[in-house]
Amino acid sequence: EAGVVQSPRYKIIEKKQPVAFWCNPISGHNTLYWYLQNLGQGPELLIRYENEEAVDDSQLPKDRFSAERLKGVDSTLKIQPAELGDSAVYLCASSRDRADTGELFFGEGSRLTVL
Amino acid sequence: RKEVEQDPGPFNVPEGATVAFNCTYSNSASQSFFWYRQDCRKEPKLLMSVYSSGNEDGRFTAQLNRASQYISLLIRDSKLSDSATYLCVVSTGGGNKLTFGTGTQLKVEL
Repeated sequence: EAGVVQSPRYKIIEKKQPVAFWCNPISGHNTLYWYLQNLGQGPELLIRYENEEAVDDSQLPKDRFSAERLKGVDSTLKIQPAELGDSAVYLCASSRDRADTGELFFGEGSRLTVL
Repeated sequence: RKEVEQDPGPFNVPEGATVAFNCTYSNSASQSFFWYRQDCRKEPKLLMSVYSSGNEDGRFTAQLNRASQYISLLIRDSKLSDSATYLCVVSTGGGNKLTFGTGTQLKVEL
């Protein structure tokens, strides 16, 4: 079974430029998450989708971040414009249903460097 | 106060040692608890769930103390391959919100 696929793995941009990350969850997983992870910190939830509906986006900085999950499968996370403080790893994860089984499957992440 | 707190370490231990990590959580309504493992520059992966009665998986033992709101992970007979960051994870909001701790780094040395 293929795991969660993310791209790009690495991205270096200058501040004020836009950037987009793509995620393809495990087939059949209805719930998709975007997390942000800074060095030395645990992952922090940005947004959670159940199918195509964003059910928790309270931690998403909506002035510059946006996300979508068309057709309830793939998802994109966009930052426009990027700031220096956005440098981090952006992790996508998926789970079959509710998260309380604890089984989130993460992708390898997209490492963003903003210069 | 953070929702989930862990000692960041690093814990440097010799091979074969027993090491324990603790984690505290602030939301008394938290329902489910987990330990994840994250290798350097890799994604987090579920290590084990934590049950109220305590549970064991090989050399790993997890315990939950709801009254004191803390979770522990005990690793016996440490191996070099156990070197990683161990993330404490707590589920709230009907099980749909997972909050990660900052992680505890373990380094097992020869």
